[in-house]
Amino acid sequence: DAGVTQSPTHLIKTRGQQVTLRCSPKSGHDTVSWYQQALGQGPQFIFQYYEEEERQRGNFPDRFSGHQFPNYSSELNVNALLLGDSALYLCASSLASSNEQFFGPGTRLTVL
Amino acid sequence: GESVGLHLPTLSVQEGDNSIINCAYSNSASDYFIWYKQESGKGPQFIIDIRSNMDKRQGQRVTVLLNKTVKHLSLQIAATQPGDSAVYFCAENVGGNKLVFGAGTILRVKS
Repeated sequence: DAGVTQSPTHLIKTRGQQVTLRCSPKSGHDTVSWYQQALGQGPQFIFQYYEEEERQRGNFPDRFSGHQFPNYSSELNVNALLLGDSALYLCASSLASSNEQFFGPGTRLTVL
Repeated sequence: GESVGLHLPTLSVQEGDNSIINCAYSNSASDYFIWYKQESGKGPQFIIDIRSNMDKRQGQRVTVLLNKTVKHLSLQIAATQPGDSAVYFCAENVGGNKLVFGAGTILRVKS
């Protein structure tokens, strides 16, 4: 079992650009949540996908969007990047019927 | 608003001593709490969890205590080892597996 995987590991973009991050959940998991972790802070919930629909959303602007595919993998898209979007983006997977979430290693996004 | 906070940003302990990391939460309706360990360059790793109908839960070398009266959570690590050095987060499940994390406590273990 490979656990939760994310790609890419690191990414450097410039302001105004768009980025897509990818996540493959732990085998058998059907729910994917995305978190943003700024340096020195705890993760902040962005949104959650289940059955290819956004089920919950945190306090993030519409520039942040996502998608879940039939195989439960997910993408996080961020448009019109700002310097403040620089962070570690974490994906967590779970079963809809369970509270336990497993986190991936994250994607480190740097916006210049 | 929703918030989970930690009292101590950095904790230094001697190898072999016990460690206690504290956390305050604000949502009295939350029914599930988790402690995570995050090592440099890695995602948060599940340590132990507790439901609101319990006040104590023990794992291997770790114990979580929940005091709902004062909305306080603590993580106790027995016989702390160098490999325990990391950032520790408490998290609160505010519904539908949406987690609210605290800022984290850095645990440094001195050999």
